[in-house]
Amino acid sequence: TQLLEQSPQFLSIQEGENLTVYCNSSSVFSSLQWYRQEPGEGPVLLVTVVTGGEVKKLKRLTFQFGDARKDSSLHITAAQPGDTGLYLCAGAGGGAGKSTFGDGTTLTVKP
Amino acid sequence: DAGVIQSPRHEVTEMGQEVTLRCKPISGHNSLFWYRQTMMRGLELLIYFNNNVPIDDSGMPEDRFSAKMPNASFSTLKIQPSEPRDSAVYFCASKRGPGTGELFFGEGSRLTVL
Repeated sequence: TQLLEQSPQFLSIQEGENLTVYCNSSSVFSSLQWYRQEPGEGPVLLVTVVTGGEVKKLKRLTFQFGDARKDSSLHITAAQPGDTGLYLCAGAGGGAGKSTFGDGTTLTVKP
Repeated sequence: DAGVIQSPRHEVTEMGQEVTLRCKPISGHNSLFWYRQTMMRGLELLIYFNNNVPIDDSGMPEDRFSAKMPNASFSTLKIQPSEPRDSAVYFCASKRGPGTGELFFGEGSRLTVL
């Protein structure tokens, strides 16, 4: 069974601060996705990383896939209240066709 | 393009009643997933289909739960009889095919069983 552990589970910071969310597993994934979910809505795809060591940037968000494709991180620079939400990582692969989701990180950015 | 469409958005019912949740995946997507989300257990995969065929239903909690996908553009998740512990938000998601990882979620159906 593939498991993904996210940390921290909860994060509350002030506007303008930087933060990093981690997603770790003992399993290798062919790709890894990050999603953001706002209250009352479904998760929305932010990015996919595929290659070990890959770094992708989406405005103030930087995503990194570990060299061994077992872990990933999400770094937010100068967080804003609009970044508030539940951040989920999900690993795909293993031939099963389904994704393994982490338990999520709930981020609150205070103005 | 239209995203994944789910109905109803909200459902309140009494214990013992039948509940049917509906999903229309994104056109051209060949894989469809049903998830349940609660505060305690997070996002749980219930069942998924490839090309309308159920592939893995090991996440379906009990025989009270059933899911069908009669064609490429429609799926249902049925709970009969419903129980208070089934209260959750149920999400449908689709993706292009089993070889891809990117899921597209609907807005969810919030179920409350009294």
